[in-house]
Parts: sequence; C-alpha cells; structure tokens
Amino acid sequence: GAVVSQHPSRVICKSGTSVKIECRSLDFQATTMFWYRQFPKQSLMLMATSNEGSKATYEQGVEKDKFLINHASLTLSTLTVTSAHPEDSSFYICSASSGLAASYEQYFGPGTRLTVT
Amino acid sequence: DAKTTQPPSMDCAEGRAANLPCNHSTISGNEYVYWYRQIHSQGPQYIIHGLKNNETNEMASLIITEDRKSSTLILPHATLRDTAVYYCIVRVNTGGFKTIFGAGTRLFVKA
Repeated sequence: GAVVSQHPSRVICKSGTSVKIECRSLDFQATTMFWYRQFPKQSLMLMATSNEGSKATYEQGVEKDKFLINHASLTLSTLTVTSAHPEDSSFYICSASSGLAASYEQYFGPGTRLTVT
Repeated sequence: DAKTTQPPSMDCAEGRAANLPCNHSTISGNEYVYWYRQIHSQGPQYIIHGLKNNETNEMASLIITEDRKSSTLILPHATLRDTAVYYCIVRVNTGGFKTIFGAGTRLFVKA
C-alpha cells in the first residue's frame, strides 16, 4: 500500500518554542492531507484538512494561528505548533489521500509524539 | 458523516475468529463503511471497506447487513498481534470527504 512518513517521530521542546512536523507521501501525490491529534487513551481528533496549494480548513475549536498548516506540494504538508505549551503535548498523526478517480483512499503516517516541557 | 456505535472493548482467544460489530443506523446511500485499526502508539492501519456487498481481503472480512444499518468485521484467526483499537467509520468515497473517528473497540486477543 501507499506510504506516508512523518518527521520527527518524537520531539521534546521547551514551552514557548515552535515545533514543525513534516508529513510526506512517498509514492503518490497527495491532493488532500489531514492532521489529527490524539491524547492518551482517547480517539483521534481531526484538526484540519488541507488541499495542495490552498489554505487549510480547520475544525471547530482548533486555533489556526497556533497550528499552522502548509501544503505547498503534492507530497509534503507541514504542521507547525507555535508557542507550544505543555497542554499541546500529544500524538500528532497526518494522513494523505490521492483523490484519484474512483479511489479516495486515505493513508496514515506513523505519528509524531510531541512533549512540551 | 454518520455516527457509528461500537462496543468499547472485546476479548478473543488466540486462533479464534474475532467478530467486531458496528451500528451505523443513519448511514446515507452514498456512504461507505471503513474499518481501521490502531496498534498502540502507531498510526491507524486500513483494514477493509465496503458499500453494500460483503468484502474479503487478506486481513479480514466485512459483513454489511442488507439494510446497511450495521456491519461486522471478522478477523478469521486472531493472533496476539491483532490486539488493537478497531475503528468503524462511515464516509463518502468522493472528494471533500473527512474521516471522523469514534471511540472504537479495544480488542484484546488472549493466548
């Protein structure tokens, strides 16, 4: 199946700093990418959806100025957590869809564990 | 997207079939049933999906009732590595879709 990678796999940062997480589709062109957040023992929560070359659409309650999403190419999307605080510590998962005709499958990355100290 | 209801947890003996139910009584005619699973600290893994016919692949079988209001994921011979959270999701299979995760079913496969 299609492969989606994330980098870094885990990151620790100090409170107040910004952290960038990369999501890459390795063997297909991702017209749409999704970013999820997952707290311990909870389900995945969709944060935003982005289409290549367009502004991301954020879910209700997600601060767009805090979670900056850039989908500049068909194989790369980035999530930047700005001025991170301990409550932003979470497991961040990206997902990509090729959107090919008759095939809107969705492939998930391995996740990035962010710890803010 | 339609809401799904799944039992919070289930146990299964290793080597036996695991049958995971899902209710989606408000599913629309153009919505598919998707199943994913998530092993601890990993990203979700696609298992199978279907519209109205039963489906089978190398991982599992998906049985969808005739009225499409419920479905069952079957892992024919569960192994310890199948211990995971299983998510049943309904969504359209066209552009503009969003995959919204519910609470899922935590499956424990025991030796």
